[in-house]
Amino acid sequence: GENVEQHPSTLSVQEGDSAVIKCTYSDSASNYFPWYKQELGKRPQLIIDIRSNVGEKKDQRIAVTLNKTAKHFSLHITETQPEDSAVYFCAASVSNTGKLIFGQGTTLQVKP
Amino acid sequence: DVKVTQSSRYLVKRTGEKVFLECVQDMDHENMFWYRQDPGLGLRLIYFSYDVKMKEKGDIPEGYSVSREKKERFSLILESASTNQTSMYLCASSRPGAGGPEETQYFGPGTRLLVL
Repeated sequence: GENVEQHPSTLSVQEGDSAVIKCTYSDSASNYFPWYKQELGKRPQLIIDIRSNVGEKKDQRIAVTLNKTAKHFSLHITETQPEDSAVYFCAASVSNTGKLIFGQGTTLQVKP
Repeated sequence: DVKVTQSSRYLVKRTGEKVFLECVQDMDHENMFWYRQDPGLGLRLIYFSYDVKMKEKGDIPEGYSVSREKKERFSLILESASTNQTSMYLCASSRPGAGGPEETQYFGPGTRLLVL
């Protein structure tokens, strides 16, 4: 069945450094790739998404890249701040179903 | 602004009890989803519904059932709660996208269920 692998499971960086989280997916028909951030005790919230007709998308300090040939996509956070500390989930759409398959999550810790 | 609410933030139940978790969204979304979240396993889909009275099994439907009698409301039912159903339960909703059904899912705050 469809699968999304996410790495690393934990990531610790110093404030101001960059953080990169990588995901691979198995369904070649996937065409929508959202990223969610979940702060402690809160609901997952969409922070950025990308569709398959785009290779890269940026929104201030965060960016997502997509390589459809290799079936992987990545989240890049630059100039990290303590408030970036959270669990991040990647997801890939299951074609024509409305469903998303989620990765296992990455716990990001930004040390002041 | 999309609002998805869940009936309880915390719930403690006994083994064998019937448990109802309710989710309500106010944006007229067609799609609604129930996930469970466990550390290291991400979000796993239990059931989803793409219309009133329609439901489809997700990846881990065993031990659960659902009900969608109204568009805005999606209920998850644990027929006989077991300790291995202790988890965080998240509801989400979305609308079919203009280019296809893949659209952003909006989550509720979650219900942390403890089964003793």
